[in-house]
Amino acid sequence: SSELTQDPAVSVALGQTVRITCQGDSLRSYYASWYQQKPGQAPVLVIYGKNNRPSGIPDRFSGSSSGNTASLTITGAQAEDEADYYCNSRDSSGNPPYVFGTGTKVTVL
Amino acid sequence: EVQLVESGGGLVQPGGSLRLSCAASGFTFSSYEMNWVRQAPGKGLEWVSYISSSGSTIYYADSVKGRFTISRDNAKNSLYLQMNSLRAEDTAVYYCAREGGKGGYFDYWGQGTLVTVSS
Repeated sequence: SSELTQDPAVSVALGQTVRITCQGDSLRSYYASWYQQKPGQAPVLVIYGKNNRPSGIPDRFSGSSSGNTASLTITGAQAEDEADYYCNSRDSSGNPPYVFGTGTKVTVL
Repeated sequence: EVQLVESGGGLVQPGGSLRLSCAASGFTFSSYEMNWVRQAPGKGLEWVSYISSSGSTIYYADSVKGRFTISRDNAKNSLYLQMNSLRAEDTAVYYCAREGGKGGYFDYWGQGTLVTVSS
């Protein structure tokens, strides 16, 4: 099955921009979706498809993709953006199963 | 408002069984594909199982294949996960998650239910 690799941790100064990456072969064929998870809470979808935000997600969150790498960018990071972020995509077969990335802890300084 | 509420978690001995339920409301349950996703303590997310809107198509992660069974009752707006032959490594918070309209992502999640497999 496919694997999605993320950097374990990144930090960003308040108000600055941070990019979180997700690498995997399946991303050459399928878009990644991105989830934010705060301690003790369920994950929340923040980006899906080419670059779509669900209702209620601030426009400082954006997504992009190139080759086998998908990226989530937070432009003007806020204190409330400190969380774990996971990418997700279909398996290379195109069906479920799905695969999640290893997760990135974002710290806002 | 879309709501997904899991129940059925608890402490079970290795080799035991447990049945999780997910009660859905606020949307037309029978129109949506559903999934179970789990998260071991301090670990990342792991996809567990998928079921199509009608229940006719089902997939499992290799780690649970042959031991877990996903099902749904569209008349009761409910999703289920029957877990047999439980192992310590199945200890996790189990989330039910609705698949987004075009598929490939999870747009709503429940709050999760904790399953602990221990003697």
